Amino acid sequence: KAGVTQTPRYLIKTRGQQVTLSCSPISGHRSVSWYQQTPGQGLQFLFEYFSETQRNKGNFPGRFSGRQFSNSRSEMNVSTLELGDSALYLCASSLASGGIYEQYFGPGTRLTVT
Amino acid sequence: DQQVKQNSPSLSVQEGRISILNCDYTNSMFDYFLWYKKYPAEGPTFLISISSIKDKNEDGRFTVFLNKSAKHLSLHIVPSQPGDSAVYFCAASVGNYKLTFGKGTLLTVNP
Repeated sequence: KAGVTQTPRYLIKTRGQQVTLSCSPISGHRSVSWYQQTPGQGLQFLFEYFSETQRNKGNFPGRFSGRQFSNSRSEMNVSTLELGDSALYLCASSLASGGIYEQYFGPGTRLTVT
Repeated sequence: DQQVKQNSPSLSVQEGRISILNCDYTNSMFDYFLWYKKYPAEGPTFLISISSIKDKNEDGRFTVFLNKSAKHLSLHIVPSQPGDSAVYFCAASVGNYKLTFGKGTLLTVNP
């Protein structure tokens, strides 16, 4: 079974620009979660989508948004990029929401904002 | 407000000895706890989990202990191997709500 894939793997953007990251979950998984990882901050939850609906949301500004398509693929968008948005963005898929369902993570997209 | 805390940023252990990674939480509603391992340039991978109705779960060299009264859980790795060197994240959830992760502990197992 193919794992979670994320594209692109690396990205360099300039302050003020916007960026879209893509995540393809494991086949059959309906839940996709997004996390931001920065040095010293661990994994900070951005949002979770389940069956095309945002089910959970973390404490990030409105510049961070996402969506999920009918095939469960998900995109994350960050508008008006700031230097502090430089991070590893991880996507995870699972059968459904909640800790009882193991999350499978993709390799991440490394975003650098200059 | 950090609900899941891993107070040790790093831990160094000799090969063959026991590694003990600790995690504290503040939300008494958490009912499911997990440990993930992360190598550089890879996404985290699931290691082991425990439900709040249990106090111990074992899987090979990995054992997770849960002390609900102290709001504390720990991951024991016995015996530790150099390939176990990675960042370990503790995570917790309430029902089908989102996972909350700690900041991670870097484990180094020296040959």
